[in-house]
Parts: sequence; structure tokens; C-alpha cells
Amino acid sequence: KAGVTQTPRYLIKTRGQQVTLSCSPISGHRSVSWYQQTPGQGLQFLFEYFSETQRNKGNFPGRFSGRQFSNSRSEMNVSTLELGDSALYLCASSWGLAVETQYFGPGTRLLVL
Amino acid sequence: DAKTTQPTSMDCAEGRAANLPCNHSTISGNEYVYWYRQIHSQGPQYIIHGLKNNETNEMASLIITEDRKSSTLILPHATLRDTAVYYCIVSSNDYKLSFGAGTTVTVRA
Repeated sequence: KAGVTQTPRYLIKTRGQQVTLSCSPISGHRSVSWYQQTPGQGLQFLFEYFSETQRNKGNFPGRFSGRQFSNSRSEMNVSTLELGDSALYLCASSWGLAVETQYFGPGTRLLVL
Repeated sequence: DAKTTQPTSMDCAEGRAANLPCNHSTISGNEYVYWYRQIHSQGPQYIIHGLKNNETNEMASLIITEDRKSSTLILPHATLRDTAVYYCIVSSNDYKLSFGAGTTVTVRA
């Protein structure tokens, strides 16, 4: 079955702009988590959605937000982009009901100039 | 979530077993040990996870000490494609994983 897909794969924006990233989970998965990966900070948890509800949130400013649709697809939005937001943004999906594995997408590489 | 300690890097000869250690001395009773790996420029890939019993799948084996304060991931026959950063994570749930710096494993021919 198809894996987790993320669009776009690459994105260049300028400071102050806003961006929306999209994630389609594996069919049947209801949990979608978002992570930010940078060389300096490693991979950090942003937030997780389950059945259209944000179930958990990491320690990121309010400029980072997300949502999940009824088909489990998820989007994350970053407003007022800063240079430090340049990163690989990863989405992961799972059934979300028990301890199990997460399946990661290939990520969206965002460059803020 | 408990923190983990892994060596920064290690080399392994192709065809030999690679043993990756991980310390998690503050692990609590309901926390699982997960292993993921990330090949350059790709998303992390799940390898294996366990609670207290040793586990084996088609990719690797996971050995967890009886006190659960440390574990070892074993790649039985390392190939060049196993070159990656390996992350050991402890968590009580699967949807909020906290990745550390991991171990950079280089498999040499």
C-alpha cells in the first residue's frame, strides 16, 4: 500500500511569508504527527492529530499550527516565517490507538531566505 | 519521556554484525524502547521496538537488559545500505517521539 506522502518536497520562501505543508497518511491511519528536523536541534516533535483533534503539542511558538481533515490528511502552517524555520519538516502516520510504529514521509525541505 | 545516550558514531565491516548500544537508565515501567534509522535526506524508518522481552524481526534484533536500563540493537549482517543515523528512543506512546542525536553508523566494504 502507498506510504506517507508529503507535498511539496521542496519550498523556498522569504522572511515574513507564510507556508502550508501537506501530508497524506497511509490509508487507514488516523494519527498524523509533525516533526521539524534541523542540523542543530535534531528532530523535534511539533504536534499530533488524531481524528481531526490535536492530541499533543510540542514546544513551538504559535506561528506553527496544524489541522487534520476528516480523511486524515493533515496540513501544517507556519506564519511570519523566520530564517530559523529553514528545516526538513517530516510527517508521520500511525493507527494511533496503541503503541506501535510510526511511518514517516520523505519530508518537505523548507528554505527561508 | 526518558532520555537516551548513544555513541556518536561507529564503523562496521560489511557482512559483520553491528551492535548498537543505548543507555536509558531513567526509563519508566510503561515506556517502550524504539529504534529508528534515517538514511541521508530521507524520513526516519522504523526498525524495531520492545518493552522488556528481546525482539527480532527481518531487519534486526533488540536485546533489552533485565533492569531495562540499556538495550542493544543488532544488525546481523550489515550491508552498505545500512549506513545511516540510528536513533534509540524511549516513549510511552507512539505519536510523540523525541529523537536525540543518534549514532552515525558507517558500514565499510
